Amino acid sequence: DAKTTQPPSMDCAEGRAANLPCNHSTISGNEYVYWYRQIHSQGPQYIIHGLKNNETNEMASLIITEDRKSSTLILPHATLRDTAVYYCILNDYKLSFGAGTTVTVRA
Amino acid sequence: DTAVSQTPKYLVTQMGNDKSIKCEQNLGHDTMYWYKQDSKKFLKIMFSYNNKELIINETVPNRFSPKSPDKAHLNLHINSLELGDSAVYFCASSLRSGGARNEQFFGPGTRLTVL
Repeated sequence: DAKTTQPPSMDCAEGRAANLPCNHSTISGNEYVYWYRQIHSQGPQYIIHGLKNNETNEMASLIITEDRKSSTLILPHATLRDTAVYYCILNDYKLSFGAGTTVTVRA
Repeated sequence: DTAVSQTPKYLVTQMGNDKSIKCEQNLGHDTMYWYKQDSKKFLKIMFSYNNKELIINETVPNRFSPKSPDKAHLNLHINSLELGDSAVYFCASSLRSGGARNEQFFGPGTRLTVL
């Protein structure tokens, strides 16, 4: 039931920025865009979220388009430890995980 | 100092048995969740409790019964285990059940194998 669309996989070079796109064309006005990641065999980890303004924290930046129909998660300097499945989720009161994007950071 | 902890980490059991998984959070959060991640790696929410009250109950068989003795604990009891119950079960908690401060913190997971 995921209401977001993400590419299934992407590669990134270590030390470079990783830009992860997400489409959510049916987003409603009260839904936040949340990003989580799951490193192999671990529990999902919260990264960042936003409603309509761009957001930045110590892990990443989130850019949301003005119409809110898409967003981009930016990992500014990817490291090997950033290899994970990244999930873009619209959250009002529960998380609906899709297939996510498998990001592989290569040395 | 683990924020969300689960026990046991691994659980191997026979079909038909009854088992429980325990979850505790020390974050002072009001809301707790159970998720199931099957072999295809899809994470699906099963239950959510807010202040010990059930607020989300997805289409989960009656054999699964969550219990929240207090805000810091949410246990999952499974009766008459079936092969299809084999999965990794994740517990999570959040400050509240919706809105701006709903980021969820997940436990390390319990890998259940039913033989």
